[in-house]
Amino acid sequence: DSGVTQTPKHLITATGQRVTLRCSPRSGDLSVYWYQQSLDQGLQFLIQYYNGEERAKGNILERFSAQQFPDLHSELNLSSLELGDSALYFCASSVGWGDTQYFGPGTRLTVL
Amino acid sequence: AQKITQTQPGMFVQEKEAVTLDCTYDTSDQSYGLFWYKQPSSGEMIFLIYQGSYDEQNATEGRYSLNFQKARKSANLVISASQLGDSAMYFCAMREVDNNAGNMLTFGGGTRLMVKP
Repeated sequence: DSGVTQTPKHLITATGQRVTLRCSPRSGDLSVYWYQQSLDQGLQFLIQYYNGEERAKGNILERFSAQQFPDLHSELNLSSLELGDSALYFCASSVGWGDTQYFGPGTRLTVL
Repeated sequence: AQKITQTQPGMFVQEKEAVTLDCTYDTSDQSYGLFWYKQPSSGEMIFLIYQGSYDEQNATEGRYSLNFQKARKSANLVISASQLGDSAMYFCAMREVDNNAGNMLTFGGGTRLMVKP
């Protein structure tokens, strides 16, 4: 157990819908990262927050947004969902912005 | 742009034997970090080992060691005395160390390791 928690574990929804994935980092970690793992794209970095501020942005679609709250938990919002958004979404956290990242168990999103 | 290449999509190893998983990387950065993660069939990503680009010694963590050859840009993972529980996907990743770029990891395509009893 990495200490990073993600909810929900599984999510099944329909195209066009909006979902929110939640992540709580390890105690003491200030950075939160979101990654997407799909069969065709592999593991891709989406976005990083450090102590509430966006720090780095990767291949994140405009339909996706994220934020990190004062208590350091983070949410990833996915809207206007498409079939291709079906993937395993990981949250990771690290102490600072450049330290080893520890991953949560992931949220498996299925868009029907 | 960074790139991580894992050329072995799948590998078999006999239980109790050692196995090497290959990883090559491409970067123009002088300062970078290399990581290996394990992903069992249950799906979680488990951190195994880290090597910094300036580290002179190869990293070791229990049965895991990282064979770091900077000139060849390779960072192979060696697992000694394989166990059935080592059967999983293994991902090599590189971190760009840049004050303006945050701390994103770039992952290779992974190697599926299967340990035979």
